[in-house]
Amino acid sequence: EAGVAQSPRYKIIEKRQSVAFWCNPISGHATLYWYQQILGQGPKLLIQFQNNGVVDDSQLPKDRFSAERLKGVDSTLKIQPAKLEDSAVYLCASSSRGPASPLHFGNGTRLTVT
Amino acid sequence: QKEVEQNSGPLSVPEGAIASLNCTYSDRGSQSFFWYRQYSGKSPELIMFIYSNGDKEDGRFTAQLNKASQYVSLLIRDSQPSDSATYLCAVNRGSGFQKLVFGTGTRLLVSP
Repeated sequence: EAGVAQSPRYKIIEKRQSVAFWCNPISGHATLYWYQQILGQGPKLLIQFQNNGVVDDSQLPKDRFSAERLKGVDSTLKIQPAKLEDSAVYLCASSSRGPASPLHFGNGTRLTVT
Repeated sequence: QKEVEQNSGPLSVPEGAIASLNCTYSDRGSQSFFWYRQYSGKSPELIMFIYSNGDKEDGRFTAQLNKASQYVSLLIRDSQPSDSATYLCAVNRGSGFQKLVFGTGTRLLVSP
């Protein structure tokens, strides 16, 4: 079974620039998550999709962050314009249905904003 | 009060000892509980999950859940240097679908 694919692995941009991350979940997984993990902290949920609908985006800074999941498969997360505090690892995860279904994480994208 | 609280550590134990990692959560309606291990620079990987009160064992790992006390723990027996990592507690607050909230993690150091 192929895992969750993310790209790019690393990205360095200047503040006020824009950046986009891509994620392809495990085949058949209906739920897709984007987490932000700042160094020394636990992952923080930014947005959660069930198929191609959003079920939770309460912690997504909507003035600068956007995400979409077209056709209920892969997803993109965009930041525009980036701020210094956006420097973090952006983790994509997917899971199948059910309250005890574990999350499977991709390798993440490490973003540095200078 | 944070939704999921963990001591950030580091927790230092000698090789062969039992490591005990603790987690408390605030939402009494939480349904299931997960422990993830995260090596430095890597993504979290699932160790085990538990959703019933009591103990659940998997090899050297035992998860313990006490819903009345809103407390989850992870015991690692015969700790190895390769167990040195950050252990993340995650609580599912969703009902029909998952809504995982993570703690900040406890860093474990196992010395040879």
